[in-house]
Amino acid sequence: DTAVSQTPKYLVTQMGNDKSIKCEQNLGHDTMYWYKQDSKKFLKIMFSYNNKELIINETVPNRFSPKSPDKAHLNLHINSLELGDSAVYFCASAPGRNTEAFFGQGTRLTVV
Amino acid sequence: GESVGLHLPTLSVQEGDNSIINCAYSNSASDYFIWYKQESGKGPQFIIDIRSNMDKRQGQRVTVLLNKTVKHLSLQIAATQPGDSAVYFCAELTSGTYKYIFGTGTRLKVLA
Repeated sequence: DTAVSQTPKYLVTQMGNDKSIKCEQNLGHDTMYWYKQDSKKFLKIMFSYNNKELIINETVPNRFSPKSPDKAHLNLHINSLELGDSAVYFCASAPGRNTEAFFGQGTRLTVV
Repeated sequence: GESVGLHLPTLSVQEGDNSIINCAYSNSASDYFIWYKQESGKGPQFIIDIRSNMDKRQGQRVTVLLNKTVKHLSLQIAATQPGDSAVYFCAELTSGTYKYIFGTGTRLKVLA
């Protein structure tokens, strides 16, 4: 069983569209994250939820909205997609502070 | 934002040699550190971690060294194998926070 799973793995869409990426973890972790990895492999944190509450909200355009319906799920909705949103988006989860985070396999988003 | 101007460093080593990957971390208050391995098309995978009350930790074929004085981490891989080819990231976490901050990454190429 995959511990942190994201869907879809690949997403190609046109500028201006709205899209969502889903993430589920079956590890029983309290904390979930979204990271963005650019073309130079730089990983930047976007959001984090702990027990369904937003605890980290980095400087991200408000076109990006995370939603956590329960502590096993953290979805990312993106409105009015732009070319610069093209990247790989990773979901991760962690059991608490000062422990390693577990990452999903990533969603490669390409905006054309 | 994007890692404009930053290039992914590459380390090339002969199969069977030892590899040393370095990382400078940013926050002197960080007290937990992780090394991740990211293979092509996959998410980052945990390799080894170290807490700030230690300066060395060993795993199977890997050793992490921490120098808090100069805010430096290194990952040593013994007898490097082709399967070690990947991008390696260090990540830091500050006590009391949930925010993993990643370094820029190093690409390791193992030459046959």
